[in-house]
Amino acid sequence: GESVGLHLPTLSVQEGDNSIINCAYSNSASDYFIWYKQESGKGPQFIIDIRSNMDKRQGQRVTVLLNKTVKHLSLQIAATQPGDSAVYFCAEPEMDTGRRALTFGSGTRLQVQP
Amino acid sequence: DTGVSQDPRHKITKRGQNVTFRCDPISEHNRLYWYRQTLGQGPEFLTYFQNEAQLEKSRLLSDRFSAERPKGSFSTLEIQRTEQGDSAMYLCASSFPLTLAGENYEQYFGPGTRLTVT
Repeated sequence: GESVGLHLPTLSVQEGDNSIINCAYSNSASDYFIWYKQESGKGPQFIIDIRSNMDKRQGQRVTVLLNKTVKHLSLQIAATQPGDSAVYFCAEPEMDTGRRALTFGSGTRLQVQP
Repeated sequence: DTGVSQDPRHKITKRGQNVTFRCDPISEHNRLYWYRQTLGQGPEFLTYFQNEAQLEKSRLLSDRFSAERPKGSFSTLEIQRTEQGDSAMYLCASSFPLTLAGENYEQYFGPGTRLTVT
């Protein structure tokens, strides 16, 4: 079955440094991934997505890398700011069912030290 | 604010009581999802609607849980005879119709209702 998980539960970085958040998946047929950011007391917020026909996608200060060989993806945040402090989830939507429900990993908490 | 809204934001109840939560999705979205999130975990799918039809329920949704979306707009999630294990954040999300979404699988989440059962 599908499994989306994370290597590290907490990541602490200094303001201005780059952050890298990792995510592993188990289904080699997985085709699409989404990164969500969840701040305290709020619902998850879409950051960026990537499809399996890409190995890199860039957004504003964020880059997602996908390595299908080892079934691993990462979210890189450049010049991390205090406002980036949150829990980050990788999520995978169901592609082969009509419901398109999201399966989330357990998340990585990013703490930005001033 | 045209995002997904949920009410109440917090609910404290005693074990055995019934509670009801409301979700108002983005108006253009005909698909509505309920998820449950416990501390330190990612959200888990509970059920979803397409318009007013509830199309699927997760095995997590015991018979004490019921969800409705009577007019295809807002939705309610009711928990009867609450148990301490029901304490969690209940998240609602909505998304575009498949005919518009195409290959876009993004779901837009509300702020959640945090339930504490004492």
